[in-house]
Parts: sequence; C-alpha cells; structure tokens
Amino acid sequence: GAVVSQHPSRVICKSGTSVKIECRSLDFQATTMFWYRQFPKKSLMLMATSNEGSKATYEQGVEKDKFLINHASLTLSTLTVTSAHPEDSSFYICSAYRIDEQFFGPGTRLTVL
Amino acid sequence: SQQGEEDPQALSIQEGENATMNCSYKTSINNLQWYRQNSGRGLVHLILIRSNEREKHSGRLRVTLDTSKKSSSLLITASRAADTASYFCATDEGISNFGNEKLTFGTGTRLTIIP
Repeated sequence: GAVVSQHPSRVICKSGTSVKIECRSLDFQATTMFWYRQFPKKSLMLMATSNEGSKATYEQGVEKDKFLINHASLTLSTLTVTSAHPEDSSFYICSAYRIDEQFFGPGTRLTVL
Repeated sequence: SQQGEEDPQALSIQEGENATMNCSYKTSINNLQWYRQNSGRGLVHLILIRSNEREKHSGRLRVTLDTSKKSSSLLITASRAADTASYFCATDEGISNFGNEKLTFGTGTRLTIIP
C-alpha cells in the first residue's frame, strides 16, 4: 500500500510553453501533498505544500504564479510550470502525506529547450 | 530553512563491507528519517527514528540519533551492489501551515558498492 504515482515521468518542452505534472496517491487519500525540486546530484528542495480544497503554501523564493499547484481531490495534485524556461529544467518529485509519513512519487524529469 | 549536512558526500566501499553515513541538522526535531534514491528515481523510505529514540534497527540498517549533538548516523552492514544509491536524511521542521509535517532534506551521500 501507500503508492504514489507521477505522470509524466519525462517531458521535454519548448521555452514559453506550460507543462502539467500530476501526482496521484493510488491507494490512500492524502489531504496534503508536497512538491519538491531536485537538481542533478543535489538534494530535494521543498517548493510548496498542497492541501485539498485550499490554496497551496509556497516556500520562500518559489514563484506561485510560475508554479501553479491545484489539489483537485484527495488523490490528485497537479503542478503546472507556466511559461517554462531552460532554468526550470529539473527533476520534480511529489509526496503524499499519510499519518506521519510521506510517500514519494517516482519523479518527473522536465527538460525545457 | 537550512538543509542538514551529510558526511561524507560520496563513499565507495567493497561489497560486504559496512557503510556509515552521518547527518547533522540544525533545529529541534520530532523525528528523523532516512531515504534511499536510485539514480533518476524517486525516494524509498528506509527508517524513521523519533526524537526520544537513540537507536533503531531494520534488517541490515542501523540508525542512531544523538539529539544533543543534532546528529544521526546510518549504518548499512554487509553491503551489496544493490545498495548503490544516494542516501538522504530528512528532518521534520515542525508544523506546516496546514498542521502536517514538512521535511528538510540533507545534502545526501552517494554510496557506491564495488562488486
């Protein structure tokens, strides 16, 4: 149990386009999900906390108008990277919170050309 | 928030040897967790140790926690080639605005097991 999926696993897009990444908890409901960003050979940096039915809380330095988060249901949160630029290229990982543990998705590698 | 530091940044050992990784953090914590990440993949939760615990075991894993020194160590015994991965510690940083934990990750240790 406690499986989290992400879609897509890889995406390549052109500068200026928007990309949506989905995070789903497959076998449990998660009122809270987290979005992280990871650069090559670096650690995970928390971007935002997503709560079902509420606005996301963004960490300092993360542009909320650029990284739109929608927690549409108890099993789905989406991250939309708007007007993507090459510097947005990264590995994006979500997690879903249950009891006192976070379960992580497999990640989405975004490459912006 | 400031990330914790992990030491060493990279570690290469022969298969069968033990691997020890250390993590230091800066704030008071409720618990500390260790995760493994294979290259380009998501995170796998290994073990959680609470602030009132000093040592915990799970299979070939042994975790210690010293809250007075704000440090933790992860020991992998009898290492295998499949243990090759990056290992991260993560601490809760208190309560998020929504009442649920936020995690702060350490910088990670890249472990390579040489067959």
